[in-house]
Amino acid sequence: AQKITQTQPGMFVQEKEAVTLDCTYDTSDQSYGLFWYKQPSSGEMIFLIYQGSYDEQNATEGRYSLNFQKARKSANLVISASQLGDSAMYFCAIVGVYGNNRLAFGKGNQVVVIP
Amino acid sequence: DAGITQSPRYKITETGRQVTLMCHQTWSHSYMFWYRQDLGHGLRLIYYSAAADITDKGEVPDGYVVSRSKTENFPLTLESATRSQTSVYFCASTQGLVDTEAFFGQGTRLTVV
Repeated sequence: AQKITQTQPGMFVQEKEAVTLDCTYDTSDQSYGLFWYKQPSSGEMIFLIYQGSYDEQNATEGRYSLNFQKARKSANLVISASQLGDSAMYFCAIVGVYGNNRLAFGKGNQVVVIP
Repeated sequence: DAGITQSPRYKITETGRQVTLMCHQTWSHSYMFWYRQDLGHGLRLIYYSAAADITDKGEVPDGYVVSRSKTENFPLTLESATRSQTSVYFCASTQGLVDTEAFFGQGTRLTVV
């Protein structure tokens, strides 16, 4: 079974600074995908970035980058140059190919960007 | 309109009543998921489906029933609603699983009184 752990308490970040959100995972699958989603206060789930388990390079998508450390089973999200609109809950998720097709989410990280 | 839609957006029901939450997607995605979101728990998987007529339990399936007779629809039924099922429910779909993001509906806020 897949499991995602996000344990950071809520974070306050100064506008224009970078923030790193921690995500560790556990899976029995050799091939899997890792995802980050954003949920603003309006409630919708917004896809941010994806990393495949066999991708050797860390994924980057605009101001979002994923610090993927496979041996440590870690997939941290880095948001550079924070903006007020980045205030939201951020969820890490994992899905495996062979053993388990469940898309499993962590409990989320709350980020508040302050001017 | 293309996308994934949930209905209703808001629902209040009484304890013991049966209630069905609808989810419809227009992309013919193979995989569909139902989650519930509660404060402090993130998104917990209730049921998922890999294709029409193929469903499987997630993390918290008790008290829920799903069906998938057509690829585009994945209704979630609470057979006898309880107060503990008060939550926000999200439906999601994806085609590729590992290498493709899931798309989410707007959510249904269900209150059981």
